[in-house]
Amino acid sequence: KAGVTQTPRYLIKTRGQQVTLSCSPISGHRSVSWYQQTPGQGLQFLFEYFSETQRNKGNFPGRFSGRQFSNSRSEMNVSTLELGDSALYLCASSLDGPTRAGELFFGEGSRLTVL
Amino acid sequence: TQLLEQSPQFLSIQEGENLTVYCNSSSVFSSLQWYRQEPGEGPVLLVTVVTGGEVKKLKRLTFQFGDARKDSSLHITAAQPGDTGLYLCAGVGAGNNRKLIWGLGTSLAVNP
Repeated sequence: KAGVTQTPRYLIKTRGQQVTLSCSPISGHRSVSWYQQTPGQGLQFLFEYFSETQRNKGNFPGRFSGRQFSNSRSEMNVSTLELGDSALYLCASSLDGPTRAGELFFGEGSRLTVL
Repeated sequence: TQLLEQSPQFLSIQEGENLTVYCNSSSVFSSLQWYRQEPGEGPVLLVTVVTGGEVKKLKRLTFQFGDARKDSSLHITAAQPGDTGLYLCAGVGAGNNRKLIWGLGTSLAVNP
């Protein structure tokens, strides 16, 4: 079956701009969770969506937001970009989600560079 | 706050050597997952250990869950360049706290 698809793979933005990242989960998976990965902080949980509802949220400022559509596809948005937002953003789909300890299937990530 | 400490943080070895990566916590986990992430890719689940003392083998990789379910180890026998990557452990909280707690990872480089 098709894996998790994230777009775009790479993008460069400048401070103050906003960005939208997209994730298409594995067919049949209703949970989509988002992570920020940086060398110093590792994988940091952003939020999880299940059946179009945000089920859990990490400790990130309100500039980070997301949503999930009826077909389970999810988007995350970062507004007013800061240099520190440069990172690999990973999307993971699962049947149950990270808060239910389900197996996570990750996409290849979107590499964001903020200049 | 539950924490998972992984060691070593970086490891560079020659092909054919053995190695062990550790994942330690002061908290009890109901289960623990190991993932491998190759450069430019997302993490891929290798194994989930559930029972204290459990040992699972995946070809040349041996995973062990501590008896008290607070720690885990990954042993690789006769490492190959294809084993290069970032190894991440993630623990599932026990009881009602079933959040997934991630370690920072061990970056392994196997040189031919």
